[in-house]
Amino acid sequence: QKEVEQDPGPLSVPEGAIVSLNCTYSNSAFQYFMWYRQYSRKGPELLMYTYSSGNKEDGRFTAQVDKSSKYISLFIRDSQPSDSATYLCAMTTFMNRDDKIIFGKGTRLHILP
Amino acid sequence: SAVISQKPSRDICQRGTSLTIQCQVDSQVTMMFWYRQQPGQSLTLIATANQGSEATYESGFVIDKFPISRPNLTFSTLTVSNMSPEDSSIYLCSVVTGSTDTQYFGPGTRLTVL
Repeated sequence: QKEVEQDPGPLSVPEGAIVSLNCTYSNSAFQYFMWYRQYSRKGPELLMYTYSSGNKEDGRFTAQVDKSSKYISLFIRDSQPSDSATYLCAMTTFMNRDDKIIFGKGTRLHILP
Repeated sequence: SAVISQKPSRDICQRGTSLTIQCQVDSQVTMMFWYRQQPGQSLTLIATANQGSEATYESGFVIDKFPISRPNLTFSTLTVSNMSPEDSSIYLCSVVTGSTDTQYFGPGTRLTVL
C-alpha cells in the first residue's frame, strides 16, 4: 500500500458547486497535513495546513482531517473557474526537521463556467 | 514567505549532455530541497542541500548523476548529468522557512531530453 493515495482525476464540476478532494494514507504517525495548489506550468503553492485532527477554514476552503480513518479532505465552496488547477495533498510526521514530506500524485480539477 | 526563482524555466537537451538548474531565494534559508515531478507521479525528493555540508540524497538518486552545489544561504544549483529521455521531468527547488516551517516551491524547470 502506498503511503499516500490520491485520485488523479480529472474532476470536472460546474461553477458554483462544492468540490471535495480527498487523500488516504497508511502511516498513522502523520500528524501535519497540507494541501498545495499547482497551476499549469507553475510550482505548487501552499493552500492550507492542519495539525492533527479537525477542521480548518480559510475563506471558501475547508481542510478536514480524520486520523481515525486516515483520511483527509479539502472542500472548496462556490467554486470558480480560477480554482481550476491540480491539488496535491502532503503530509509528514513532523517529529523533527529531517522528516520527509510525502506528497500525493495530485488531483486535476476543472471548474466549468 | 519566500520567493523562489529558477533558471532556466525550460530546456530541450540532447541525450548525453548535462544541464545545470539554478535556484535563487529572496531570503536566507538553511534547508533547500530539489524535487522531481514526472507526469502522473507525485513529487519525488531528490536531495536536501544544506549550506556548509554535503547534500543528502534520497534512495535512487546519486551525486554523480545529480550533483548539487549550495554556495550560500540564498542559492543552489542542481545538475542533471549524462541525460537520457527518462530524465525528462519538471525539476523543482523548494525551501522551508518561517515560524511554521512552511515549505515553498519555485516555479520549476521543465526539462525535455531528446
